Amino acid sequence: NAGVTQTPKFQVLKTGQSMTLQCAQDMNHEYMSWYRQDPGMGLRLIHYSVGAGITDQGEVPNGYNVSRSTTEDFPLRLLSAAPSQTSVYFCASRTRWGELFFGEGSRLTVL
Amino acid sequence: AQTVTQSQPEMSVQEAETVTLSCTYDTSESNYYLFWYKQPPSRQMILVIRQEAYKQQNATENRFSVNFQKAAKSFSLKISDSQLGDTAMYFCAFNPRGNKLVFGAGTILRVKS
Repeated sequence: NAGVTQTPKFQVLKTGQSMTLQCAQDMNHEYMSWYRQDPGMGLRLIHYSVGAGITDQGEVPNGYNVSRSTTEDFPLRLLSAAPSQTSVYFCASRTRWGELFFGEGSRLTVL
Repeated sequence: AQTVTQSQPEMSVQEAETVTLSCTYDTSESNYYLFWYKQPPSRQMILVIRQEAYKQQNATENRFSVNFQKAAKSFSLKISDSQLGDTAMYFCAFNPRGNKLVFGAGTILRVKS
């Protein structure tokens, strides 16, 4: 049972480069989300989706793009990476009562 | 705004002793879920315990229990018989309505031998 699979685990980018963080879940959860984790700030919601074809912004959406073409996949795109986007990123899917299942995290460094 | 406050950035406890991590939150909602998540050095986020706001009985999961005070909007986590493997960052979180889970800033817990 894979749960939530997130790739890559580590990535180094140069300012201005673009990349996509991949996320897939096999629990048939309608809700999926992306968080970023920064020291002293907990986890902050970037974007979320309540089902295929439906996405919405979270607390810190600027500089990120998402799409949800299938129930299973929810990729996060960085359009033009900036040093402020250096962070650890978590993808999560959620049960109806709010329990999140997390991926293993992706550490992104933007130089 | 819906917020979660963890007032203890870091805590230490001796192995086998009991420690309590504090969490308060702010919401106008009456029904919601509360969670404690553990993040060990491996970085993996692990659900420790869950509480439903409409239930008065405090949730318990083995050595982990909560003290849920709805009127005070308080949701503390008690860890009994602390073990070295409990060393981690602990996050308090709740989903006041809809789909957005709100997290606190976290408390680093160090268990000493």
